[in-house]
Amino acid sequence: DGGITQSPKYLFRKEGQNVTLSCEQNLNHDAMYWYRQDPGQGLRLIYYSQIVNDFQKGDIAEGYSVSREKKESFPLTVTSAQKNPTAFYLCASSIRDRVTNEKLFFGSGTQLSVL
Amino acid sequence: AQSVTQLGSHVSVSEGALVLLRCNYSSSVPPYLFWYVQYPNQGLQLLLKYTSAATLVKGINGFEAEFKKSETSFHLTKPSAHMSDAAEYFCAVRKTGGFKTIFGAGTRLFVKA
Repeated sequence: DGGITQSPKYLFRKEGQNVTLSCEQNLNHDAMYWYRQDPGQGLRLIYYSQIVNDFQKGDIAEGYSVSREKKESFPLTVTSAQKNPTAFYLCASSIRDRVTNEKLFFGSGTQLSVL
Repeated sequence: AQSVTQLGSHVSVSEGALVLLRCNYSSSVPPYLFWYVQYPNQGLQLLLKYTSAATLVKGINGFEAEFKKSETSFHLTKPSAHMSDAAEYFCAVRKTGGFKTIFGAGTRLFVKA
């Protein structure tokens, strides 16, 4: 079955450490996204990528970095510059089409906590 | 800038009662509108989306939403709540021609037996 796989499900970060969250999709979607979810705040966009080797900052990109070397992979690195990283991180993908109102497909998320 | 407002962070209904979750959007032109549902420790899945073909949109699990341009609203309803409907619901908006989806803060639905 096609879908989005996020790993790990739970991740713990020590102070000053960089950690990388994995996101892989086999839906053949061009566009991929990273969202951060905090209780009571909904989802906020961190980064998005419309095509391989290209990505744009979302609304809260500071302290995060991404790469898009392969169509199916869009890893997110939470750097030590992100002072409040504890949150639930969601990866999503969609068909790259500005004209249609295509939905987002989501992974099952990674819960990141600070030790 | 676009935004989405969901009225009520928590809604509690009895099993069998009407479910009404409110969503208002701000946009200069009618955007694309969505409702997503999230079960605990999971990602979001699409309930329904507004396509402009009809103002009343039917989704999965018996949910539907009505687009009202004059009120800039897209409220989600279900005639009879089931225990399995307990989850968090997100209204979302996407600008015509854009890639960014903006989410509301979410409404957690509790269903009492």
